[in-house]
Amino acid sequence: TQLLEQSPQFLSIQEGENLTVYCNSSSVFSSLQWYRQEPGEGPVLLVTVVTGGEVKKLKRLTFQFGDARKDSSLHITAAQPGDTGLYLCAGVRDKIIFGKGTRLHILP
Amino acid sequence: DARVTQTPRHKVTEMGQEVTMRCQPILGHNTVFWYRQTMMQGLELLAYFRNRAPLDDSGMPKDRFSAEMPDATLATLKIQPSEPRDSAVYFCASGEPTNLFIYFGEGSWLTVV
Repeated sequence: TQLLEQSPQFLSIQEGENLTVYCNSSSVFSSLQWYRQEPGEGPVLLVTVVTGGEVKKLKRLTFQFGDARKDSSLHITAAQPGDTGLYLCAGVRDKIIFGKGTRLHILP
Repeated sequence: DARVTQTPRHKVTEMGQEVTMRCQPILGHNTVFWYRQTMMQGLELLAYFRNRAPLDDSGMPKDRFSAEMPDATLATLKIQPSEPRDSAVYFCASGEPTNLFIYFGEGSWLTVV
């Protein structure tokens, strides 16, 4: 049973378009993290959201934590080829559990 | 520039051989995680330590895998005997007690033939 479900699994869009990817769970987490992973490298932490309903912005990326602290979304505005990668969400309690990720490909 | 260091970066070994992967966490971090990543299963938590004490290794096949932290600067993950299904990328990550800031190493790419 996967604790964290990410959707879509794959997404390929044109440069300049907007997109949203989702991370859903039936479990409550103390916080939720988003990572980006590029081929041959380890995941890199982008953001941690802690409070239910919290919204954090990182340039063109907007992260939202659900009110019930069970789900999260990542919205990218005006996607660029440099945004290509594997986006992973991770639920934090005493340990950190990852979803399987959304593989994003931005076409120039 | 502080980073988590993992060795070896790549390892090809024959089935039945012992494999040891090493991790040097970032100085001052007291939490260390071991993950395994495959295309099918994604990132799976194998074990984690806080202040060198193992807190959870329920994700690890107990009969062949073992994880230790002999000191604060070294974490090891050992597979004995290795099997082809162990082929994966093994990541070590370290963090502060709050788990708000976690840093991954570049991974050890293991192929068992």
